[in-house]
Amino acid sequence: GENVEQHPSTLSVQEGDSAVIKCTYSDSASNYFPWYKQELGKRPQLIIDIRSNVGEKKDQRIAVTLNKTAKHFSLHITETQPEDSAVYFCAASTGVGGSYIPTFGRGTSLIVHP
Amino acid sequence: GAVVSQHPSWVICKSGTSVKIECRSLDFQATTMFWYRQFPKQSLMLMATSNEGSKATYEQGVEKDKFLINHASLTLSTLTVTSAHPEDSSFYICSALDRWTVFGNGTRLTVT
Repeated sequence: GENVEQHPSTLSVQEGDSAVIKCTYSDSASNYFPWYKQELGKRPQLIIDIRSNVGEKKDQRIAVTLNKTAKHFSLHITETQPEDSAVYFCAASTGVGGSYIPTFGRGTSLIVHP
Repeated sequence: GAVVSQHPSWVICKSGTSVKIECRSLDFQATTMFWYRQFPKQSLMLMATSNEGSKATYEQGVEKDKFLINHASLTLSTLTVTSAHPEDSSFYICSALDRWTVFGNGTRLTVT
């Protein structure tokens, strides 16, 4: 089965700095990579995703890169703000019957200090 | 967009009692739902995969007799924590599979 490794487990930055979270996956058949943000006591929310036919995707201060050859993908947050503080999960998915079933990384607790 | 409703959002129960948590897909049919457990500041731990009309598939180390899962319809899966103990206190989250994964709001279970 798929195995997703996520690093670091905790990340502390100053407001305005950039934050980078990295994930690796094992199954070369994985073709969809979503990222989730989870605030304390709330459900994980999809913040950005990338498909295997794309190398990079950006949405305002958030970007995700994918290296299929190396089987790793990363989340980049620029100009961090205190409200970015949360736990971020990466996931790798393979399409099955038209749906994508994710395998999650262990999460990264991001703390942005004002 | 697709919405998953999870109920209750929080529950406190006494040790030895059973608690049922519901997970509903509101505007789509979900043949597959997932149940996760999450400890504070830790990752989502997949407990089981629930398939409509068949038995759930439990992850290694998860007691199927303690965590009963029923997925009797295309829009509802339930997780029953039987004979709950304080160590079962946790945050339980369901998700349903539309084309993408859609999460419920989660249930905070506290066993006293």
